[in-house]
Amino acid sequence: GAVVSQHPSRVICKSGTSVKIECRSLDFQATTMFWYRQFPKQSLMLMATSNEGSKATYEQGVEKDKFLINHASLTLSTLTVTSAHPEDSSFYICSARKLRLGTAPREQYFGPGTRLTVT
Amino acid sequence: AQSVTQPDIHITVSEGASLELRCNYSYGATPYLFWYVQSPGQGLQLLLKYFSGDTLVQGIKGFEAEFKRSQSSFNLRKPSVHWSDAAEYFCAVGEDTGNQFYFGTGTSLTVIP
Repeated sequence: GAVVSQHPSRVICKSGTSVKIECRSLDFQATTMFWYRQFPKQSLMLMATSNEGSKATYEQGVEKDKFLINHASLTLSTLTVTSAHPEDSSFYICSARKLRLGTAPREQYFGPGTRLTVT
Repeated sequence: AQSVTQPDIHITVSEGASLELRCNYSYGATPYLFWYVQSPGQGLQLLLKYFSGDTLVQGIKGFEAEFKRSQSSFNLRKPSVHWSDAAEYFCAVGEDTGNQFYFGTGTSLTVIP
């Protein structure tokens, strides 16, 4: 299998505080993990791509100082929303791609998502 | 530029009826195509994928999809819909190089008794 977990599944925090979301690949090693944001009734928007041991690559319009991404190991990436505000409330989904040699297709395995509510 | 279009924002079908969800893509090279399903408040579950070979692919839960290069389409089908199929469905294209996934805007499926 290829299971990806996220923790926490739901979090409520006060405006101005920081929140950390973890993304783990449970049964495989992930060279690359991705963080998406999804607004209600909308599609997924890629926020950033993180590679183990290197800096994350952020998509245009995503504030890297606000959304800190750390990919410390081949099974863990974290997203920290710093100084959160109500407009940061959203559904955050991570995905992971397997460490794989050769030209294997680039499939992504998705986590169950984290619902962040900032009050 | 790469893009994915799901023309139908919302579809309602009766339980037991057939279903087809449309997906069109724009991609210069060989696409890797995916269909995902998302239940409310949940993450994405992979239904099926196309990388190469047979253009008709079978997935989980009785779904299938057909890749038609001439039409740049990858429509999802199911011969008989169950009430539990009510969810949001996303089509996606993955690059053969690089990391990017391009998602469609999704189709919301309602199943009526």
